[in-house]
Amino acid sequence: QKEVEQNSGPLSVPEGAIASLNCTYSDRGSQSFFWYRQYSGKSPELIMFIYSNGDKEDGKFTAQLNKASQYVSLLIRDSQPSDSATYLCAVSGTGNQFYFGTGTSLTVIP
Amino acid sequence: EAQVTQNPRYLITVTGKKLTVTCSQNMNHEYMSWYRQDPGLGLRQIYYSMNVEVTDKGDVPEGYKVSRKEKRNFPLILESPSPNQTSLYFCASTLGGTQYFGPGTRLLVL
Repeated sequence: QKEVEQNSGPLSVPEGAIASLNCTYSDRGSQSFFWYRQYSGKSPELIMFIYSNGDKEDGKFTAQLNKASQYVSLLIRDSQPSDSATYLCAVSGTGNQFYFGTGTSLTVIP
Repeated sequence: EAQVTQNPRYLITVTGKKLTVTCSQNMNHEYMSWYRQDPGLGLRQIYYSMNVEVTDKGDVPEGYKVSRKEKRNFPLILESPSPNQTSLYFCASTLGGTQYFGPGTRLLVL
């Protein structure tokens, strides 16, 4: 059983702050890492992916990957109420399957 | 418009009555998946298909069947539904690791 762990939250941040979301995974052979956002009652949508150690920035989002620590994170800068959602970490490993964490609920307070 | 469609969106059925949830994508993707999403358990992969006539079990395949006779369609079949299959189901079409989710099917088995 490949495991992906996330703090379920809820995580609350004030508007304009940086939100930090964390994810750990158990399969050391995992190669690709994804962050999805899911609004209540909607389907998940991709925010960004990262394959290599280090940071990857895309607009207000930064993904950070540390394969040695088996850790991936997502930073959201200048958080807005519209960023309030559940954020899902997903991992693809040495096989052809995808594994998701249970998600972190983020609330941005105006 | 690139999309993944699922039908039906909502379904109430009774134990043992066979049902099929359809999934179709218009992006010519080879990889397609079915997931179920349950509170506290997150998204779990039921089955996936790497291409036509190629299907594999995910983490929770018991009680489900799939087929992939055409690239665009990937139906999920519950031959004898049970109450523990009450869930929110998502079909996803995947390219390069990025998954495009359908709108979801909410199933209640009485």
